[in-house]
Amino acid sequence: AQSVSQHNHHVILSEAASLELGCNYSYGGTVNLFWYVQYPGQHLQLLLKYFSGDPLVKGIKGFEAEFIKSKFSFNLRKPSVQWSDTAEYFCAVKGGGFKTIFGAGTRLFVKA
Amino acid sequence: GAVVSQHPSWVICKSGTSVKIECRSLDFQATTMFWYRQFPKQSLMLMATSNEGSKATYEQGVEKDKFLINHASLTLSTLTVTSAHPEDSSFYICSARAGENTGELFFGEGSRLTVL
Repeated sequence: AQSVSQHNHHVILSEAASLELGCNYSYGGTVNLFWYVQYPGQHLQLLLKYFSGDPLVKGIKGFEAEFIKSKFSFNLRKPSVQWSDTAEYFCAVKGGGFKTIFGAGTRLFVKA
Repeated sequence: GAVVSQHPSWVICKSGTSVKIECRSLDFQATTMFWYRQFPKQSLMLMATSNEGSKATYEQGVEKDKFLINHASLTLSTLTVTSAHPEDSSFYICSARAGENTGELFFGEGSRLTVL
C-alpha cells in the first residue's frame, strides 16, 4: 500500500532563512509526486508536481523540490522564506490508479 | 485553474440527524471526485472515490452505509453523513481532477461538520 511520511509536523523559521521539508513515500512503481499548500483560510492548492523528466522541479513562489528515486524522497525547498509562506504544506503521492495519498502535513510559521 | 466548490462550509447538527454536503466542479466535468476527511493536526484521509453514474469506492474502514456518496452528474457529488454522532465531527474536503492525465487535484474549500 502507498504511504507518505513527512518528517516535521511544525517548523518555525525567521524570514530569509532557508527551508527544507522532508517527504518520503513507499510505493514500488511509477509515481506522480506533489506538494500542496494551504494558506490560512484558503483552499488547498498545488505548489508543484513531478511526473517525469528533470527530477528537480520548480513551482510557484520560488519553491522547488527534488525527486530522488533511490531514496523514495521528494523534499521541498526554498532558499529564503517570507512571512507570507506561513501555511501548511502537504506532500502527496499518486501511484497506479486514481488515488492520491497525502502526508500528515507540516505547519510552517515564518517570523517577520 | 479549475474550481471546485463545496456547500455548506460549516454545518452544526444534532446527534442522530443526517447532513448532506455538496461538491461541485464549476468549470469542468469530473467523472471522478474524491472525498477526504481531515482530523485536527492530521493529514487528509481518503474516504472514498466517487464515480459518476456508478457506486462509490470506499477505503478500508469507512462505513459505506454511514457515509453515503452519490455522483449523479459530471459536476456534482454529494456526501451524506447519516445518523451523525459527535465523533463524526470533522472537516470534510472534496477534490476532483480536471483531466485524468494531469494528476493534479483541485480542492473544495472544505465543510466543517459539528455534531452536538
